[in-house]
This record gives sequence, C-alpha cells and structure tokens, in this order.
Amino acid sequence: KAGVTQTPRYLIKTRGQQVTLSCSPISGHRSVSWYQQTPGQGLQFLFEYFSETQRNKGNFPGRFSGRQFSNSRSEMNVSTLELGDSALYLCASSPTPGLNTGELFFGEGSRLTVL
Amino acid sequence: AQSVSQHNHHVILSEAASLELGCNYSYGGTVNLFWYVQYPGQHLQLLLKYFSGDPLVKGIKGFEAEFIKSKFSFNLRKPSVQWSDTAEYFCAVIFTGGGNKLTFGTGTQLKVEL
Repeated sequence: KAGVTQTPRYLIKTRGQQVTLSCSPISGHRSVSWYQQTPGQGLQFLFEYFSETQRNKGNFPGRFSGRQFSNSRSEMNVSTLELGDSALYLCASSPTPGLNTGELFFGEGSRLTVL
Repeated sequence: AQSVSQHNHHVILSEAASLELGCNYSYGGTVNLFWYVQYPGQHLQLLLKYFSGDPLVKGIKGFEAEFIKSKFSFNLRKPSVQWSDTAEYFCAVIFTGGGNKLTFGTGTQLKVEL
C-alpha cells in the first residue's frame, strides 16, 4: 500500500512569489491535514480537509490556503511568500476525521526555501 | 490556552541506558495522546497512542508511555535504548472537539551513543 506522497520534495522560491504543494493521501483515506515544521516552532497545524471541506484551521494568515479534490488529493498554496515561510510542509492522511480516529500517516514533506 | 510541553529538548544517552521523556499538556477536558518519532531522513511515524482504558500503553520497538491524568502527563519510556533509537520524538495531543488537529510539543532530539 503506497504511503502519503508529497510533491515537490524540495523547492526554492523568492519573496513575493507564490507556491503550490500537492499531497496524495493513502488510498482510501479521506481526511488530509497539513502541518508546518520549523526548527523554532516545531510542528504547527495548518488545516484539515475531509470530503473537499475544510474542517479545521490553524492560526496562520490568509496567505495560506488549501483545498481538497474529489479524489481526496489535496493542495496547499502560500501566496506572497515571506522569508519566515521557509519550512518543511507535512501532509498527513487518515481514514476518517473526528475524535478517536487514531493514527495520522505522514508524508515525507515538501521542503520550501524562500530567498 | 491548550498547549503541549516537552521539557527535554536534547537528550544524550549511552546504549542500554533507560529513557524517559516528559510530556505535559494544559487542558482540563478529554484528550487523545500520541507519541510520534522521526528518524533521520524519514517521515513521522506513530510510536504509540492513548485514547482510554489502561493508562499504561505499549507501542512499537519496546516503547511505552503512562498517562497520569492528575499530572496532565504522558511520559515516554524505554528500559534499554539502542543506537537505532536516535531520532526526534514528538508528543502530540488531540483536545476535545479538535477533529484530527494534533497539537505537538516542540520535540526532543535523542542521541544514543555506542
């Protein structure tokens, strides 16, 4: 069974640009969550999607957005990039949303560097 | 505010030493508790989880954790570490009504020396 796939794995952008990251969940998983990982802040929750609907949102500015498609694949977009957006962006999938769902399955992440 | 604290940021142990990593959370309601591990160059993976029942839970690779509700703690333990346990360990909590939103601690970098 294939794991969570994130593309691209690495990318470099400059300030002011925008970026789109993609996540393909494990087959059959309908919930997708995104996290930002940085050395100083650790792992911070961005948002969660289920059945193309955003169910939960973290404390990030509106420059961070996401969406989920009917096949459960998800994308996140960051507009007007800032140096502080440099981070590892992790996607995680699970079969169902809600409390007591258990394990999240993480991808290897997309490492974004903003120059 | 709901938060998760890991007090040990860096831990260095010799092989065969015992390990205990602290995790505390601030919240008075129901929680689901997790420990995740990130080996060098690999993705985050689940070590163990606690939802209810026996507060002592056992996970993979000989790890266990104990939920002490009165102390709001969920400490990770292993009686005898191996070099291959070198990794970063994250405590994570789902607070009531949080859906799949994991609140992570800042992580503990464990280095096991031969």
